[in-house]
Amino acid sequence: DAGITQSPRHKVTETGTPVTLRCHQTENHRYMYWYRQDPGHGLRLIHYSYGVKDTDKGEVSDGYSVSRSKTEDFLLTLESATSSQTSVYFCASLDSGPPDTQYFGPGTRLTVL
Amino acid sequence: AQSVTQLDSQVPVFEEAPVELRCNYSSSVSVYLFWYVQYPNQGLQLLLKYLSGSTLVKGINGFEAEFNKSQTSFHLRKPSVHISDTAEYFCAVTTNRDDKIIFGKGTRLHILP
Repeated sequence: DAGITQSPRHKVTETGTPVTLRCHQTENHRYMYWYRQDPGHGLRLIHYSYGVKDTDKGEVSDGYSVSRSKTEDFLLTLESATSSQTSVYFCASLDSGPPDTQYFGPGTRLTVL
Repeated sequence: AQSVTQLDSQVPVFEEAPVELRCNYSSSVSVYLFWYVQYPNQGLQLLLKYLSGSTLVKGINGFEAEFNKSQTSFHLRKPSVHISDTAEYFCAVTTNRDDKIIFGKGTRLHILP
């Protein structure tokens, strides 16, 4: 399995506070993705990266920003958390680009009160 | 833009019975199709993928899927399910013109004893 970790694994925060989630991979994969998983919605793409400092928006990018300053790290920031951003967040990476296999992290459960 | 529709949110099936999980896609260009599985409290892992060539694709754990271009479908099948197959299954699509990988809403497979 690809070495992908996410931190923190669980977080509870309050509305209006900034939150940063970290995804770290040890496979030297070029592409990285952030998804959120919600009941009835499946996985929805938030942002993705196709290289260091190269990122693009996904389906549900409003209220989120990302940064990738190193190949191995992809950060997701909620500028001002809202209750609608309560979700499970998954990071994934893949080697050279689609249709390579995506390897997923274990997820981060975020609760915004 | 491409999309996938998973027609069933939940599928109950008796142990050792066959199962089919349905997936239909929409795209104006050629597609690559995937099935991923998510076991309880885990990230997703690849079951199988269709890139080109033979329309019958075999994956891990005895699963297979058939690509049907005329019906724009990629249904997942297993001839005999086990309790260990209890999980949520996601169909996903991408194309050779896109870095985004779009997932369906998922199908929960419930194995009945």
